[in-house]
Amino acid sequence: GDSVTQMEGPVTLSEEACLTINCTYTATGYPSLFWYVQYPGEGLQLLLKATKADDKGSNKGFEATYRKETTSFHLEKGSVQVSDSAVYFCALSLMEYGNKLVFGAGTILRVKS
Amino acid sequence: NAGVTQTPKFQVLKTGQSMTLQCAQDMNHEYMSWYRQDPGMGLRLIHYSVGAGITDQGEVPNGYNVSRSTTEDFPLRLLSAAPSQTSVYFCASSYSTLEAGNTEAFFGQGTRLTVV
Repeated sequence: GDSVTQMEGPVTLSEEACLTINCTYTATGYPSLFWYVQYPGEGLQLLLKATKADDKGSNKGFEATYRKETTSFHLEKGSVQVSDSAVYFCALSLMEYGNKLVFGAGTILRVKS
Repeated sequence: NAGVTQTPKFQVLKTGQSMTLQCAQDMNHEYMSWYRQDPGMGLRLIHYSVGAGITDQGEVPNGYNVSRSTTEDFPLRLLSAAPSQTSVYFCASSYSTLEAGNTEAFFGQGTRLTVV
């Protein structure tokens, strides 16, 4: 079945450090890929997305590139801030299945000042 | 814009009680879903709907019922609450087009449910 695997956390970084959160997927069709972020006590909100191979999604300094050959969608940021502390979820969806989302387990990011 | 509204935000139930979690969206989205979030497991799909009158089961449907009589509303019913249903529940809505493909899902703020 369809699944998403992302690196386990928590990931603890100092402010201005580089961030990479790995995400790989398996899918029966051609999925759209997403990164969602959840700040403490809140719901999920979209961080970025990509709908086809080689697309790069970007937002708030975060980037991820849809790599079909390696079935990956790694999240990167060159310089993290304390305000980036949150839980990050990689997810995929397939139009054939009513736009249902399949999520990874989530990665907790803690940024220290 | 209200977006996706869930009520209540917090609820404590006794084992065996029933209740309904409400979800409403004002964006005219065709797709709506319910997820539960448990530590270390991400979000898992309970039930989803691709339009009014159409629902289907997700990954973890047992113990839950849904209905979709209107585009706006998608309530989740717990038939007989069990401690294993202690979780945070999220409702989401979205749409897709041939041009844009799958759009992002918009999430409610969540309902934290404790079953004792």
